[in-house]
Amino acid sequence: GAVVSQHPSWVICKSGTSVKIECRSLDFQATTMFWYRQFPKQSLMLMATSNEGSKATYEQGVEKDKFLINHASLTLSTLTVTSAHPEDSSFYICSARTFGGGPETQYFGPGTRLLVL
Amino acid sequence: QQQVKQSPQSLIVQKGGISIINCAYENTAFDYFPWYQQFPGKGPALLIAIRPDVSEKKEGRFTISFNKSAKQFSLHIMDSQPGDSATYFCAATSLGGTSYGKLTFGQGTILTVHP
Repeated sequence: GAVVSQHPSWVICKSGTSVKIECRSLDFQATTMFWYRQFPKQSLMLMATSNEGSKATYEQGVEKDKFLINHASLTLSTLTVTSAHPEDSSFYICSARTFGGGPETQYFGPGTRLLVL
Repeated sequence: QQQVKQSPQSLIVQKGGISIINCAYENTAFDYFPWYQQFPGKGPALLIAIRPDVSEKKEGRFTISFNKSAKQFSLHIMDSQPGDSATYFCAATSLGGTSYGKLTFGQGTILTVHP
């Protein structure tokens, strides 16, 4: 149990286009989902916290108009990278926390590798 | 004050040896300290975690040692196996307040276990 999926697993796009990444909790409900980005051989940096039915909370330095997050249901959150540029190329990872659960119930997805040409 | 500092950046051990990874934190509000294992191209997976009311937690070959006064915690992998080769991240979070559950990660340690 406690499986989180991401789609797509990798995507290549042209500079200036928008890319949507989906994060789904497959066998549990998640009121809270987190979005991270990870550069090669670096740590995970939290981008935003997404709560079902409300606006996402962005970390300092993360452009909310560039990284649009929607958490429309208890099992789905989406991250849209708008007007992507090469510097947005990264590994994007989501995690989902079970309803009413603590941090030990935060499960990570397999990640989405984005390459912007 | 939100940083978690992790060392070493990389570690090579022989099969059967002990792998030790260290982390230090600054924020005294942190009260939950998990370790994650990440394989290339995959998301991290929770390995073991500790709360500051205990100084040690053991699960199989994995042990966390915690020193609250020094604000340090470490991961020990006993009888290291080639399958343990991965990147390990320590993390910390607060179980209360506005930062509840928001993980702050260390820089990561690339562990290589030679057969």
